[in-house]
Amino acid sequence: DSGVTQTPKHLITATGQRVTLRCSPRSGDLSVYWYQQSLDQGLQFLIQYYNGEERAKGNILERFSAQQFPDLHSELNLSSLELGDSALYFCASSAGTPNGYTFGSGTRLTVV
Amino acid sequence: GENVEQHPSTLSVQEGDSAVIKCTYSDSASNYFPWYKQELGKGPQLIIDIRSNVGEKKDQRIAVTLNKTAKHFSLHITETQPEDSAVYFCAAPSDAGNMLTFGGGTRLMVKP
Repeated sequence: DSGVTQTPKHLITATGQRVTLRCSPRSGDLSVYWYQQSLDQGLQFLIQYYNGEERAKGNILERFSAQQFPDLHSELNLSSLELGDSALYFCASSAGTPNGYTFGSGTRLTVV
Repeated sequence: GENVEQHPSTLSVQEGDSAVIKCTYSDSASNYFPWYKQELGKGPQLIIDIRSNVGEKKDQRIAVTLNKTAKHFSLHITETQPEDSAVYFCAAPSDAGNMLTFGGGTRLMVKP
């Protein structure tokens, strides 16, 4: 157990739907990062939050949004889902920068 | 932004042999270089990292070397074992240092 908790582990939904992925960072970590990993692809940075505020943004689609709550857990919202959004979505946390991340076990999203 | 290239994309070695994975980065200001191991169905796990004030770091069978002048760093695994089979990712901080940019990954297969 890495200390970073992601739920759900698996999600199957239809095109056009909206889903919410949840992440609880490791105790004491203020930064949360979201990454997307498509089949046989690398890790694509989506967005970072630090202590409730958006800190950095990658190539995140306008259909995607995220937030970090006062208790530091974060949610990634994916809407108007398309087949191409099927991927593994990882959350990671860190105590500060630059430092290594601790990754969660991911949410596997399948859009049918 | 930071650009990280990783080679090779796949690597097959015989058990007991050494494996070397190489990465180059673009931002000369980068000062922290982690390596992650991702096993099937799991999130990436930090296995070793190096900061720019040292040229080499070892941890049992794994080592990382850094050449700041050439802007490249490498992961060395000696006496490989079947359990070393996984996908390995290198990373470097973004321009702002807020997040990590990952290489494309190397699938290492260790044949018994």
